[in-house]
Amino acid sequence: DAGVTQSPTHLIKTRGQQVTLRCSPKSGHDTVSWYQQALGQGPQFIFQYYEEEERQRGNFPDRFSGHQFPNYSSELNVNALLLGDSALYLCASSRPGTGGGEYFGPGTRLLVL
Amino acid sequence: QQPVQSPQAVILREGEDAVINCSSSKALYSVHWYRQKHGEAPVFLMILLKGGEQKGHEKISASFNEKKQQSSLYLTASQLSYSGTYFCGTERTGGFKTIFGAGTRLFVKA
Repeated sequence: DAGVTQSPTHLIKTRGQQVTLRCSPKSGHDTVSWYQQALGQGPQFIFQYYEEEERQRGNFPDRFSGHQFPNYSSELNVNALLLGDSALYLCASSRPGTGGGEYFGPGTRLLVL
Repeated sequence: QQPVQSPQAVILREGEDAVINCSSSKALYSVHWYRQKHGEAPVFLMILLKGGEQKGHEKISASFNEKKQQSSLYLTASQLSYSGTYFCGTERTGGFKTIFGAGTRLFVKA
């Protein structure tokens, strides 16, 4: 049973560039959430996708956008990168109503120079 | 609205017990507990739904006091493998996002 997978594992970009991160959910899961985790902090909720729609959004600017595909995989796009966007980006999948929590992928570590 | 975790850090010897607390100022629907080891993703431990239930997972258990909006994670007879950062995540009724606390760093030494 494949768990949550993310790509790429590491990424280096410069300020102003754009980045796309990818996530495949755990088998049987239909909901994908994205989190940003700064060093030494807890994950911060960016948004959640369900049935290809953004269902809820955290306190992140519009530079952060996403997409969910019919196969439940998801992308996170960040435009006009800032130095402060450097962080670990985590994707988590779940299946609401099953009494289970979220299962996290290994993350993508983004460094903005 | 971030839940408050305490203590911030704790050092144990193998075999000792620990309690990690998580409290919220908002009415909660559920509380999740995760453990994250250095350089790895958070791993789901358990979820507690409102109703004041208690759950167990090997030597790790948790409770949720709905009246106080508090949850506690109990680690008994700690093992070296328990070392890591423990996060609680909270969900409110009608919401879909999980808000994580700042974490409790647990170190178990031999």
